Formats: sequence, structure tokens, C-alpha cells
Amino acid sequence: DVKVTQSSRYLVKRTGEKVFLECVQDMDHENMFWYRQDPGLGLRLIYFSYDVKMKEKGDIPEGYSVSREKKERFSLILESASTNQTSMYLCASRASLGPNTEAFFGQGTRLTVV
Amino acid sequence: AQSVTQLDSQVPVFEEAPVELRCNYSSSVSVYLFWYVQYPNQGLQLLLKYLSGSTLVKGINGFEAEFNKSQTSFHLRKPSVHISDTAEYFCAVDRGFQKLVFGTGTRLLVSP
Repeated sequence: DVKVTQSSRYLVKRTGEKVFLECVQDMDHENMFWYRQDPGLGLRLIYFSYDVKMKEKGDIPEGYSVSREKKERFSLILESASTNQTSMYLCASRASLGPNTEAFFGQGTRLTVV
Repeated sequence: AQSVTQLDSQVPVFEEAPVELRCNYSSSVSVYLFWYVQYPNQGLQLLLKYLSGSTLVKGINGFEAEFNKSQTSFHLRKPSVHISDTAEYFCAVDRGFQKLVFGTGTRLLVSP
């Protein structure tokens, strides 16, 4: 069974903390994504990576950075957490075989910044 | 730029009734469209996809969608819903380079 695993289901952090959200996939996919999900806004792309050490900004990259040192792992970093980053974060991976490939999602990390 | 619009934020329906969830897209290039479902406290999973060919696409759990190029729509339908279909449904378009753009979601509420 294919899997995208996010390290935490729930996180509570304080304003100003540096926060790491981890995502691991076991499908040998080239492409990995971080989305943020908010009510009424759907999923918005924060960053994506199409290869190890390669990354590109998505639609809402401000306040975030990412790291991809190994193919299977993609980390989202909040350099200095703020309350407006309280959200559900979803990681996804997808093979580089064209537009017909399915994106596989993790179960999400619900982050609360207090 | 490619985008999708889901006009209905919430659709209440009784069990065994038919349902249609609406999705409209905007794109000036070839379109690849998807519907994903998110059950409570879970990630998203693929329901169905349209790439080319037949405009009627069948997916899992009895869902189907029809691609209509003239109306730029990709509505999701099911002839008879179950309580277990209660979930949030997202329409998405492939923007290229494997990036998916999602709509704002439609919450389907099935009651007995």
C-alpha cells in the first residue's frame, strides 16, 4: 500500500518558534508538495520540489521554507511561527509521468500557533 | 492561469437521493481535471480524472463526472448517495509540471 506519512497529526507551537513539519513517501516519487488547507479557501500550494535539493515557490510561500535532502523526505519549515499560520498542512507526492498521475496525500498536520 | 471554481460550499442531501457537485474551470490550454475526496480527519484521495477521450468519466464509489468543454465544466454526480459519502469534495486542474490547483471544496452532507 502506497504511503505518504506526516510525522505529526496535531501540533501546538508558540508564536516565534521555529517549526518543522516532516513528510515521507515510500513510492520513489520525484515530486513532492506542501499545501495549506483553510475553510473556504481550499488547498493552496506553498512549495513544491521536483528533485532532491530542488524547490520552487508555490502560491503562498511567504513565511515558509522547505528542505529536500533525500528523495523520500520533504520538510516544511516555519522560520518564526505566527498565529496566521494556524492551519491544516497537507503533504503530497506525485510521479513524474505526465498529467495522468495521481497525487497521494498524507493525513495532514493540524498546526495551532498560540 | 488555470483555475477551478466550486460554487457550492455545502450541499445537503438525503440518503439515496441523487447529487451533483459543480465545478467550472478556466484554462487556455489542454485541460486535465480531477476530483478528490476528503473524509473526516483524513487526507485527500482520488475519485476520478479526465485527461482526454470520452467526456463521461467513471470513478470509485459510484461517482462519475462529465467534461463539458463548451461550458467549461466538470460536474461530479452520483445517482444515489449513502451516509458514508459525507465528505468534502475538491475539484482540481493540472497546472503543468505536476502542480495541481484546487477549488475551494464542497462539503456534501448526507442525512438519513
